[in-house]
Parts: sequence; C-alpha cells; structure tokens
Amino acid sequence: AQTVTQSQPEMSVQEAETVTLSCTYDTSESDYYLFWYKQPPSRQMILVIRQEAYKQQNATENRFSVNFQKAAKSFSLKISDSQLGDAAMYFCAYRSLYMNYGGSQGNLIFGKGTKLSVKP
Amino acid sequence: EAQVTQNPRYLITVTGKKLTVTCSQNMNHEYMSWYRQDPGLGLRQIYYSMNVEVTDKGDVPEGYKVSRKEKRNFPLILESPSPNQTSLYFCASSLSGTGGYEQYFGPGTRLTVT
Repeated sequence: AQTVTQSQPEMSVQEAETVTLSCTYDTSESDYYLFWYKQPPSRQMILVIRQEAYKQQNATENRFSVNFQKAAKSFSLKISDSQLGDAAMYFCAYRSLYMNYGGSQGNLIFGKGTKLSVKP
Repeated sequence: EAQVTQNPRYLITVTGKKLTVTCSQNMNHEYMSWYRQDPGLGLRQIYYSMNVEVTDKGDVPEGYKVSRKEKRNFPLILESPSPNQTSLYFCASSLSGTGGYEQYFGPGTRLTVT
C-alpha cells in the first residue's frame, strides 16, 4: 500500500523568507500524481500545487514550487517570499493513476501534515 | 460559483442517534468522496463514488453508509454514531476518479458524538 510521510510536524519561517516542507512517499507504481494542499484556520482544503510523476519538470505556482525527486520518492514544497497568509497546515498527498492497492479508486492518500507558522 | 457544499457545518449529537451529513456539488463531477480528519492522522477516505449508483469503501468505512442516487449529491449516513466518530468530515468531488484531476473539498463538518 502507498504511504505518505511528512517528517516535520511544525515549521516556522520569518516573513519574506523561504521555507521548504518535506514529503516522502512509498509506492511501487510508476505513474501517479502528487499534491500539496493548504488548510488555513478556516479548515478549507485548498490545492496549492500538483505534480505528474511522468513529468520531470518541477511544478511551480507563483511563490510555490516543488522539488520532485522520483527515484528518491521525495516531493518537497518550497515557499518563497513567505507571507502571513501562508500560515496554515500543509498536507502532502498521493493519488494513484489507477486502482489503489486494496481497491480504493481515486483516493488521495495524505500525510499527517506540517503546521507552518509565519513570523512578522 | 463552482463549489462543494456540506450541511450541517457543526453538529453535536448523542451516541446511537442516526444522522445524515449532506454533500452537494454543482460542477457535474462524476467522482465524489468522503474523508475524515483526525489530529495527527491527516485525512482518511471513508467512502467514494465513481458515478451515480456506484459506491465503494475507502480506508475507514466502518460505521458509515453512503448513497449516490443523483450525480450532485452524496450524503454520509451514520446509523448509530459512537464517540470514536467524533471528527472533522470533508466531502470532495472531482471530474473523474482516474487521473490527476483536482479534488474540490467542501468546507467541512465538525461532528461531536457524546
């Protein structure tokens, strides 16, 4: 079965600085998708960025970028020029292209999350 | 506005009293899913539906039921709630259950079972 591990329960960054959140995953599949979701205090789940495993180019969305290392099964999120509004829980998630082990289809497998604080 | 709605947003109930959490999406999505979020555990899938009348178990289905009679609605039913079902629940939908389509999440339902 696929698993997602976020080894940093909490992180802190100074406003305008850069921070990197770590994520590793375990899978035997070659095609899959990886996501970073943001959950602010409002609890709404917001998609930050998505990466297709077959693409070698790292995804970027404005101040957010990923470092995708397929062989190492690593998918870190870099936030540049951190803003107070970036303070949130961040979840890394994996989605199989096909049926997951155990039969669940379309399931997002989440890590336990990293709580990011931004200091003014 | 494209969205997933859930009701109620907050619910406090007692053990054994049947309840339903509604979920509706207006994006004509085929795939819908329920997750529960617990501290330190992330989100885990309860049930999912690939399309109308097609539902199946996720990772933590015990104690829950679902139905998908219409494309837009996917209610979550707790026939006999227990305290271990106290959690934050999210409904999500996406265009398809295959591929990397974004899953859109509802605002969440905070359920407390005493």
